Amino acid sequence: SQQGEEDPQALSIQEGENATMNCSYKTSINNLQWYRQNSGRGLVHLILIRSNEREKHSGRLRVTLDTSKKSSSLLITASRAADTASYFCATDDQVGVIFGKGTRLHILP
Amino acid sequence: ETGVTQTPRHLVMGMTNKKSLKCEQHLGHNAMYWYKQSAKKPLELMFVYSLEERVENNSVPSRFSPECPNSSHLFLHLHTLQPEDSALYLCASSQVWTGDHNQPQHFGDGTRLSIL
Repeated sequence: SQQGEEDPQALSIQEGENATMNCSYKTSINNLQWYRQNSGRGLVHLILIRSNEREKHSGRLRVTLDTSKKSSSLLITASRAADTASYFCATDDQVGVIFGKGTRLHILP
Repeated sequence: ETGVTQTPRHLVMGMTNKKSLKCEQHLGHNAMYWYKQSAKKPLELMFVYSLEERVENNSVPSRFSPECPNSSHLFLHLHTLQPEDSALYLCASSQVWTGDHNQPQHFGDGTRLSIL
């Protein structure tokens, strides 16, 4: 299956530190997306990166894509308490996107 | 406010009941989706509608019946559900449906469904 797999499953860091999450997938893609989900809420789209792009930035977020390794990483710099959430990568499927199980990020005060 | 509204937010029903979940999007999008999110499992795509036509049902049990009367509204009709159907049901929309070149999706906050 094309399902992306996030690593680590859970991550706790101190506020102000950087957080890095990784996503690996199995077959070729056109787009890869990252989403955030706060507890009890829906998913929020963060960034879409195309297969011909290697890096993309949005505010404190930096996404990289390595199609040769079939992997992507999401870096959150200068983390804040509000960044506490689950983060999912989503890869293309024939019909829609397939989400991984996510990385649960906890920012410690 | 994501522009996608789901009602109700919580629903408790017995296995013999019939209920419906509602989703409305105010973004002018042409594609809408139903997902099921269960604990410790990846988000599962259930149904896709593009321009009010169903694209894929992903082998979802017939006790789940979607309806898309127009591009702004999506329903999920439920009947004779099982305890394992307890989950968070999320609705999403995107500007267009492009098959394998997926676009950003906007999600509602979901309906938490509990089957007794």
